[in-house]
Order: sequence, then structure tokens, then C-alpha cells
Amino acid sequence: QVTLKESGPVLVKPTETLTLTCSVSGFSLSSARMSVSWIRQPPGKALEWLAHIFSNDEKSYNTSLKSRLTISKDTSKSQVVLTMTYMDPVDTATYYCARKKWGDPFDIWGQGTMVTVSS
Amino acid sequence: DIVMTQSPDSLAVSLGERATINCKSSQSVLYTSNNKNFLAWYQQKPGQPPKLLIYWASTRESGVPDRFSGSGSGTDFTLTISSLQAEDVAVYYCHQYYSPLSWTFGQGTKVEIK
Repeated sequence: QVTLKESGPVLVKPTETLTLTCSVSGFSLSSARMSVSWIRQPPGKALEWLAHIFSNDEKSYNTSLKSRLTISKDTSKSQVVLTMTYMDPVDTATYYCARKKWGDPFDIWGQGTMVTVSS
Repeated sequence: DIVMTQSPDSLAVSLGERATINCKSSQSVLYTSNNKNFLAWYQQKPGQPPKLLIYWASTRESGVPDRFSGSGSGTDFTLTISSLQAEDVAVYYCHQYYSPLSWTFGQGTKVEIK
């Protein structure tokens, strides 16, 4: 069974750096065609794709947020990590990680983790 | 980036009636070499992550009821719920996965019972 689970702080202060971890099971992050994205959703708003990492370690970022994002993975731990710098209240959202096979849509999503940015 | 625009933003449909949601992409998501539209639909219920309903514009994911159907090609797509059930109350999103390194979603359409 394929699962993804997000973890990280519930509350961060403005200007702080957010670090989120996605722990995956049921597939390997080094398998060809397998990759993972981070996607966020502010309360009551739409989904916004943030960043992606492929099995060969190639990375891709949302152009409007690229300067603030870093995605990485630890294949041995089956984890994908996202860091976002200079957090602002507008970054308050539920952050999801989701699996994607090359050429396919996001098929399996984690339950999401809600992050609030407030002083 | 490819912009996805859905219409309407919300709709209320009587139980057993048809619900239709439209999605328009700012550029074609049809990959001509394999004649596939890189367009998916998701259903999201409150407090839950999105659930994949349809991919390649018209292929139902395993386990999805056949009252859900997708159609369209190029830049214009439709999700139809042929006979709305109470459990179909949700927000529906279209999503393009045509771009190799950047993916986008529509703004969502909220479906309610009239």
C-alpha cells in the first residue's frame, strides 16, 4: 500500500524558515518514473503546486516562489524535505505531498499538514 | 505557466440531476504524438486531500463510480456527474500535467445540493 505522510511545525513566525518532511512508503524514491511534489492550499482556496523532485534528483520549482524553496530527498529514509524561507502570514496553508509517476497526474496524496504563520 | 480556468465557481444541483463543470486551459494540453490530453480531475471533500477521479481527460481512476465522466480535448474540458448523489458534495479541480516541469490546477468548483 502506497502512503505519504507530512510532518512539520504547526506554527511558525513571520520571517522564519519552514521545514516540512514527507515520509513515503510502498514505493521507492529511487525507482524510475517515481517522483514527489509539494502542493499547498490556503484555507478555502485553490491548490498551488510548489516543488517537485524526480528519482534522478532533478528538481523543479514554482517560478513565483523559486527563490524561497528548496526540495531534497533522502532515499534511504524514504523522505522528501521542503524548506521555505521568509515565511509570511499569506503562506498559511495546508501543505500536501503527493506522488507522481512520469507522464501521469498526482495519484496518491498525503493527508496534509496545516501550517499557520503568525507572531 | 498554463492557466486553468474553471466555470462555474459553484453550482447547486438537485439529487439525481446532472452536474456539469467546465475547465479551460490557456494553451493546449493535447500531446499530439500519442493523442492524449494531459488533463485530470480531482474531488476534494472537507478536511480531506484531493482524490484523483479522471486522467487523460476521460479515463476513470479505478473505483470511481461511472456516474463521473470526463470529456474534451485541446483546451476545453468537461466533468459530468450524471446523477448527483449526496456523497458527491465536494470541490472539484481540474489539473494539467502537460508541462514536463510545472503543473497547475483550476480554481475549483464547489458542488452542492439544491
